[in-house]
Order: sequence, then C-alpha cells, then structure tokens
Amino acid sequence: DAKTTQPPSMDCAEGRAANLPCNHSTISGNEYVYWYRQIHSQGPQYIIHGLKNNETNEMASLIITEDRKSSTLILPHATLRDTAVYYCIARMDSSYKLIFGSGTRLLVRP
Amino acid sequence: DVKVTQSSRYLVKRTGEKVFLECVQDMDHENMFWYRQDPGLGLRLIYFSYDVKMKEKGDIPEGYSVSREKKERFSLILESASTNQTSMYLCASSSPFYEQFFGPGTRLTVL
Repeated sequence: DAKTTQPPSMDCAEGRAANLPCNHSTISGNEYVYWYRQIHSQGPQYIIHGLKNNETNEMASLIITEDRKSSTLILPHATLRDTAVYYCIARMDSSYKLIFGSGTRLLVRP
Repeated sequence: DVKVTQSSRYLVKRTGEKVFLECVQDMDHENMFWYRQDPGLGLRLIYFSYDVKMKEKGDIPEGYSVSREKKERFSLILESASTNQTSMYLCASSSPFYEQFFGPGTRLTVL
C-alpha cells in the first residue's frame, strides 16, 4: 500500500469549506484513496473513497488529481462537530488492510 | 445504519488476568477486525477474521488470541494481561474489500 502524507494540523472557521490535502505520489493503479475521521474518544468513521474520479456523498467531496498523486477532501460547510483527526489511506482493491498514518487534526473554530 | 458494538467502553484489569473483549456487528459482514490504538503509533491491526472460525494474524498478534464462533461476533482474548496491553481497542467489520465500520472502542487499563 502506498504511503500517504498529510499536514499534521489545520483549522477553519465554522460554516466555511475545509479542504484537507493528501499526498500519495507512489500510489499504484489499483489502489483506492480512502478517508476516515476520528472524533475524540470514538472509533474511526468512514467518510468517502475513490479511485480516479471525483466523488461526492452526503458528508464530503473527494477530488483526486488526474495523475492520482494527490487528493483533497472537502467538507463544504464545516461545523464544530467536524473537529476530528482525518486520515487519508491508500488501499489496494484486493487488500483488506487499512494502514492508518498520523492524519490531520482539523480544528473548526466558532 | 451499520452498527458495531463493543461490550465495554472502559475496562480495568489486573496483571495476569484473562480478559475478553467482545464485538458484535449487525450487518452480516464477513470480515471482522481487532485493532489497538496508542498515542504516536496510530491504529495497528491485531487479528482479522474473514469467516466463522477463520482468522489471520495482523501486525501485532503477540499476547492476543481471537474467537469467531458466530458470524456476527468476534472476541479478542488477552490470555494473561500485562501493563503494556493498556490501550484503546477498536473492533471493525466490513464486506470483503469494502469500507470498514468501527465500533466505539474499549479503553483497557491493566494495573
């Protein structure tokens, strides 16, 4: 599984979009990009995943660059409850493994 | 909604005790997982089960065993708890090659 790199921390104002970057320059063609988040003292929560097309669901949007070397998770209108650690994970389509790095600690300010 | 439940949120045990951590999922998932999470080390996979009575070691299986007698239930067993097993334990379930759904976690303290 490719290694991912994320900034250790970010902040944004409540109501604004939060854009969380992830670098995965060694990703291979059959590796998906997954995003999870972990709110303090809870288990990780699945957010979204994609292979090469941009994806959107009720929680977030995932933008993957054309060369697939990086991606951005977008929370369109961040709320205080979005304060959490966000993990970007590259996972092979044939693998059960999720390898969690240290993630990005997002603080949403009132 | 997928529901993964763990038997306890907080547990305090003594060194040498046998400890059972239980996990139940209600989505008929084939795969179930046990992780532990420690500051600075992230989540590490202890054991994985892909079917009833089937299991595979993860990255840190030493000191742990597991049991999966029914599809919905996956137990993590610490045969003789030690202080270095003080940690947050997380259970997850998934369909094969799909996203994993996590339980709320059990914070285990071994004194």
